[in-house]
This record gives sequence, C-alpha cells and structure tokens, in this order.
Amino acid sequence: DTEVTQTPKHLVMGMTNKKSLKCEQHMGHRAMYWYKQKAKKPPELMFVYSYEKLSINESVPSRFSPECPNSSLLNLHLHALQPEDSALYLCASSQDWTYGYTFGSGTRLTVV
Amino acid sequence: KNEVEQSPQNLTAQEGEFITINCSYSVGISALHWLQQHPGGGIVSLFMLSSGKKKHGRLIATINIQEKHSSLHITASHPRDSAVYICAAYTGNQFYFGTGTSLTVIP
Repeated sequence: DTEVTQTPKHLVMGMTNKKSLKCEQHMGHRAMYWYKQKAKKPPELMFVYSYEKLSINESVPSRFSPECPNSSLLNLHLHALQPEDSALYLCASSQDWTYGYTFGSGTRLTVV
Repeated sequence: KNEVEQSPQNLTAQEGEFITINCSYSVGISALHWLQQHPGGGIVSLFMLSSGKKKHGRLIATINIQEKHSSLHITASHPRDSAVYICAAYTGNQFYFGTGTSLTVIP
C-alpha cells in the first residue's frame, strides 16, 4: 500500500459544528503532516507529527486540533470554524527526506 | 520575498511543444521537490532532487545547487499534462512551496 488515504473527500459544515478529518497511511512513515491550501495558492503547513509527537505547529488557531492516535493515523478535529477556513486540507507522510513525500488527495472543506 | 520563486506563473502550450518551468530558492535545502496538482486537488510527487538530473518518461528535472535553481522540462507535451506544477524546497523539517505554474496544453 503506497497511498495516503484522506476521508471524507468533501465536507460541508456549519460554524457551530464539530467534525473531524482523517488521514491514514500504511507505508510505515513516521512523519505526518497537515497542510491547508486556498484556491490558487500553494499549500501552507499547519502541523507536523514525528513519531506520533507534535513537532511543528505553525501558529494555527485552536479551532483546529490535531491528533495522532498511532503511527498510521492522523486526525484533524474541527470546531467553531469560520467561513474563511474553507479550503482544501491535504495530508502527507514521509519516512525521511530521502524517500520523499506522499500526499493524500485532500478533503475539500466548506464552512457555511 | 518568497523563499521559493517559480516562473512562469501561467503557461499555455500547443500539444507537442517542449516546456520548461523554472524554480529559484533562497533557503538551504535537503531536497527539492517537483509536485503536480490537477484540478480537484490531489498532489502527486513527480521528482525529489538533491543534485544533478532525473528523468521519468517525458519529464526531466534538473537542479544546480550552487545557483539554487531547478528546472522541470516536459518533452512532447500532451493535454493530459495540463495541471499546476509546484516547486517545493525541503529544508529537512519543512517545505517552502513556490506559488505554482499553471500549465495548459492545447490539442
């Protein structure tokens, strides 16, 4: 299995909802990443987990809460989002830089 | 100023043309990645370079570490190559992304 699987592919949520995005990989990669991408912009790093520990948090608002329950799974919990949080949320994983990155196909989130 | 600059921002080519996309970066890198993103979102990693040149099918990527410059070439371009191509400099713990080159190949 050489894929990063993200679910759901599309999500529409209200500003008072609580939802979660899920990312899964079974390549044995020990680093996992969340990126946010607005239309026609490059991806912006949100969080990095390395060996299941949060190693980078790029000053992301607390309404985004990451969780890494095990080495194969990465969640992003969403609560009280704003319409400007609507974007494509991409998950990626890597073993180390020599093996490159694998990206998921993303979750397109719309906050209404 | 962005740490990674790409040119051109937009590119339209006729099918069969040779295409070059350029990337310059200012950060110290462990590797330079070329990524492809089709409409609808998913990103595919095309190449990871730390020196020299790599070729995969009709795609060729080169990097000059001293000049901090990389190029992505597409030979015999095809409409299915239409996508956004993103250059990303990997420092060892994070990526710096270029703003992307939107390529449209016309039949």
